[in-house]
Amino acid sequence: GAGVSQSPSNKVTEKGKDVELRCDPISGHTALYWYRQSLGQGLEFLIYFQGNSAPDKSGLPSDRFSAERTGGSVSTLTIQRTQQEDSAVYLCASSVFSGQGTGELFFGEGSRLTVL
Amino acid sequence: QQQVKQSPQSLIVQKGGISIINCAYENTAFDYFPWYQQFPGKGPALLIAIRPDVSEKKEGRFTISFNKSAKQFSLHIMDSQPGDSATYFCAALPYQGGKLIFGQGTELSVKP
Repeated sequence: GAGVSQSPSNKVTEKGKDVELRCDPISGHTALYWYRQSLGQGLEFLIYFQGNSAPDKSGLPSDRFSAERTGGSVSTLTIQRTQQEDSAVYLCASSVFSGQGTGELFFGEGSRLTVL
Repeated sequence: QQQVKQSPQSLIVQKGGISIINCAYENTAFDYFPWYQQFPGKGPALLIAIRPDVSEKKEGRFTISFNKSAKQFSLHIMDSQPGDSATYFCAALPYQGGKLIFGQGTELSVKP
């Protein structure tokens, strides 16, 4: 596809359940990011993948959150034992690379997670 | 701790007026400062960006002003239009690359 694709677009789950959110980045983009956007809040960094380097996991809020990127392309964000405070829009973005002077991230439309 | 602080949280401007959004950063290791625009239900999209070797960059009705010594930068939207109504995020990228740090966002509403 031409842009970053995320699925599902909406997910309603019960507290305590696990959820998986998927991101298909733009072909050829080596950097992939996950951000979280809560209602009325800014963009909270979660995790960043760049090529074959170890991911920057410094933004993951707890050990219930994990992410992987397979084959340098598709990424999955997993939230285990979901809590109501996990309700947010989870945004994925990709870029050609994240070196000096760059920074244009191409975002998907997000996955809206609602934890009941 | 790398932070970018953005204000105001919300802004209402009359059509034709000037919208001004301000950001301040704490870490001098940033060297790329983009602004993103987000419409409801969509992901943010790059609007305009600046590097600290210039004090101003203009693209159409959008201008970034950059004050390196004060560690502040701002977005000016001239002749604001209802179609500019969106949430605007400033951001900063460390010189060594890596994660883009975003401000808290400003919800702009341009009244006709």
